[in-house]
Amino acid sequence: AQTVTQSQPEMSVQEAETVTLSCTYDTSENNYYLFWYKQPPSRQMILVIRQEAYKQQNATENRFSVNFQKAAKSFSLKISDSQLGDTAMYFCAFPGLSGAGSYQLTFGKGTKLSVIP
Amino acid sequence: EAGVTQFPSHSVIEKGQTVTLRCDPISGHDNLYWYRRVMGKEIKFLLHFVKESKQDESGMPNNRFLAERTGGTYSTLKVQPAELEDSGVYFCASSQSRGARAGYTFGSGTRLTVV
Repeated sequence: AQTVTQSQPEMSVQEAETVTLSCTYDTSENNYYLFWYKQPPSRQMILVIRQEAYKQQNATENRFSVNFQKAAKSFSLKISDSQLGDTAMYFCAFPGLSGAGSYQLTFGKGTKLSVIP
Repeated sequence: EAGVTQFPSHSVIEKGQTVTLRCDPISGHDNLYWYRRVMGKEIKFLLHFVKESKQDESGMPNNRFLAERTGGTYSTLKVQPAELEDSGVYFCASSQSRGARAGYTFGSGTRLTVV
């Protein structure tokens, strides 16, 4: 079974600064995907960034980038030039294949990020 | 395009009552998922529909939970009778494909409080 661990329940960052959210996972699969989701207060959860495990290049989406270390099973999210709108819960997630042939997302507990003006 | 819509956004019910949550996926998305986050814990998978069929319901906690997706469009999740431990946020998500690459689109969730 897959596990996903986010060791930082809460973090804060000054506006315009850079922050890194950590995530580690455990799986016996060799080829897989990893996701970071963002849920702003009282709003829907949205996909921030996706990483394919067989790609050595780290994924980047504008101010969001990941540091993917496959051997260490680490998948951290870096937010550059933090903005007030980045205040949200951030979830690391792993889509694992269940016995019923369905991909189920395994989530970490989340990191509550506050961007301070 | 419209996103995934969930009704109601909040629900407070007494223990023993029945509650029905609804999810309208993105039009054309055959795959619909229910997840739940109990306070202080991880978001957990409940079940997966492909059109109107249940592909995987391994995450359903017990037989007090009944999910349906008649006609392969919207889905309902009924809890009957509700217990205190059912409190949490129930998320619905949909996707066009069901592969690992699919970045599911989530709704805003229904916050259920059982008192």
